[in-house]
Amino acid sequence: DAKTTQPTSMDCAEGRAANLPCNHSTISGNEYVYWYRQIHSQGPQYIIHGLKNNETNEMASLIITEDRKSSTLILPHATLRDTAVYYCIVRPIQGAQKLVFGQGTRLTINP
Amino acid sequence: GAVVSQHPSWVICKSGTSVKIECRSLDFQATTMFWYRQFPKQSLMLMATSNEGSKATYEQGVEKDKFLINHASLTLSTLTVTSAHPEDSSFYICSARDSGRGTDTQYFGPGTRLTVL
Repeated sequence: DAKTTQPTSMDCAEGRAANLPCNHSTISGNEYVYWYRQIHSQGPQYIIHGLKNNETNEMASLIITEDRKSSTLILPHATLRDTAVYYCIVRPIQGAQKLVFGQGTRLTINP
Repeated sequence: GAVVSQHPSWVICKSGTSVKIECRSLDFQATTMFWYRQFPKQSLMLMATSNEGSKATYEQGVEKDKFLINHASLTLSTLTVTSAHPEDSSFYICSARDSGRGTDTQYFGPGTRLTVL
């Protein structure tokens, strides 16, 4: 499975857009990019996923570069409740489809 | 999004006893469920993949005789920690794969905190 690289931590002011980068330079054409987040002492929460097109839902937007080697998760108006560890995960479309978690980015939203 | 529940949310047991954790998909059927373990300040580590009606597939280094997994129905998987010891104390999290809506996304339960005395 392709590995991902994320910054260890980031800070963002409340009300501003939080942009979380992820590098996945070895991604293959049959692998999705998934984003999850984990608030302290809870199970991970699904945010969004994409293959090659940009995606948007009620939680966030996902921007995938044309070469698919990196992506950015955008929380458009961050709130204090968005403070969490954010995981970017690459997962095959077919096969075992297990998720391999890296260390993620610890995002802190400051008032 | 789809809902996955776990029971119990926390459990304290004595060393040597066995503990069963349930994972249920509440509003979808899950042919595949996954079990993870998370130690403090660490990321989630996949323990095993549970397939409905068949044996679980364990990750390297995970003892299958110690962590018994049963996936007897499309909405329920159980993890039994047998002869638990203090080093088994951890946060256990399950996920269920929703392949019925076309997204094939995994949804996670809230986790079960196990403390072995």
